[in-house]
Amino acid sequence: KAGVTQTPRYLIKTRGQQVTLSCSPISGHRSVSWYQQTPGQGLQFLFEYFSETQRNKGNFPGRFSGRQFSNSRSEMNVSTLELGDSALYLCASSLGPRAGSTEAFFGQGTRLTVV
Amino acid sequence: AQSVTQLDSQVPVFEEAPVELRCNYSSSVSVYLFWYVQYPNQGLQLLLKYLSGSTLVKGINGFEAEFNKSQTSFHLRKPSVHISDTAEYFCAVSEYNQGGKLIFGQGTELSVKP
Repeated sequence: KAGVTQTPRYLIKTRGQQVTLSCSPISGHRSVSWYQQTPGQGLQFLFEYFSETQRNKGNFPGRFSGRQFSNSRSEMNVSTLELGDSALYLCASSLGPRAGSTEAFFGQGTRLTVV
Repeated sequence: AQSVTQLDSQVPVFEEAPVELRCNYSSSVSVYLFWYVQYPNQGLQLLLKYLSGSTLVKGINGFEAEFNKSQTSFHLRKPSVHISDTAEYFCAVSEYNQGGKLIFGQGTELSVKP
């Protein structure tokens, strides 16, 4: 069974640009969550999607958005990039809807560098 | 509000010695508890989870953890560590009915020396 696939693995963007990251969950998993990992703030929850609906949202500015497609694949978008957005972005998939009660499988992440 | 505190940012230990990584949490409702491991440039891998039932939970790679509700702790232990256990370890909680939202601690860097 294929794991969680995140693309691209590495990305370099310039301040002010926007970026889209992609996550393909494990087959059969319908819940996808996104996390930002930085050395200073650690792992922070961005948002969770289930059946194309956002179920939960973390404390991030509106520049951070996401969506989920009917095949459960998810994308997150960051607009007007800032240097502080440089981070490892992790996607996790689970069976859902009560994903907290089941195992969340993480992808290898997308390393975003904003210059 | 939920919070997770990992009491040690770094834990150096010699190979074959026992280790305990400490985790305390704060929540006003019932929670699920997890320990994840992260190797360099990798995602997170689940070591073990506590959902309900027995408070002693066994996971992969010889790790175990004990849930202590009165002390709101979920410490991770291994009786004998290997060089390959060198990694960062994260404790996480999710609240009942909060779906997939995980709140993570700041991580503990375990360094196993020969």
